[in-house]
Amino acid sequence: DGGITQSPKYLFRKEGQNVTLSCEQNLNHDAMYWYRQDPGQGLRLIYYSQIVNDFQKGDIAEGYSVSREKKESFPLTVTSAQKNPTAFYLCASSTRGQVAFFGQGTRLTVV
Amino acid sequence: GIQVEQSPPDLILQEGANSTLRCNFSDSVNNLQWFHQNPWGQLINLFYIPSGTKQNGRLSATTVATERYSLLYISSSQTTDSGVYFCAVERRGGGNKLTFGTGTQLKVEL
Repeated sequence: DGGITQSPKYLFRKEGQNVTLSCEQNLNHDAMYWYRQDPGQGLRLIYYSQIVNDFQKGDIAEGYSVSREKKESFPLTVTSAQKNPTAFYLCASSTRGQVAFFGQGTRLTVV
Repeated sequence: GIQVEQSPPDLILQEGANSTLRCNFSDSVNNLQWFHQNPWGQLINLFYIPSGTKQNGRLSATTVATERYSLLYISSSQTTDSGVYFCAVERRGGGNKLTFGTGTQLKVEL
């Protein structure tokens, strides 16, 4: 089945650690996105990529990094520079003029 | 950037009631989508509706692009309709960048 797979579902990070969240899609979509959602809040855009080897900062990119080496994959690294990383992270993909599909999300907690 | 506002922020309905959710946006768009987020966090696309009207079962949506708003109608609501409803837009000329509204939290009670 086509879709978007995020892993892991739950992730625990110690202070000062970098962690990487995985996002893979087999929908042949050009664009991929990372969003952050805090409890009771809407989605805020972290980074997005329209084509391979290219990506743009969203509204809250500080403390995060991404890569887009393959069309299918768009991993997000939460670096130690992100001071408040505890949140729900959602990955999505779309093609221009078409519907966006979301993964099931990763819940990141700092311990 | 484009501003997306949704109303009401919270809504409580009795099962069987109808409701209308609104999404206002501040600029011209070439993409507008409605999503439902279930209690487990999964976002499901309900409609891709940059203009016009669409219906899918008990749900329907209308976007009046010239007046910069969209409406989501839920008829004969059921407890499974509970969750958060988001509107997301892509500004015309803004690339493949979806901006989300603040959401409407819906609770349907028996």
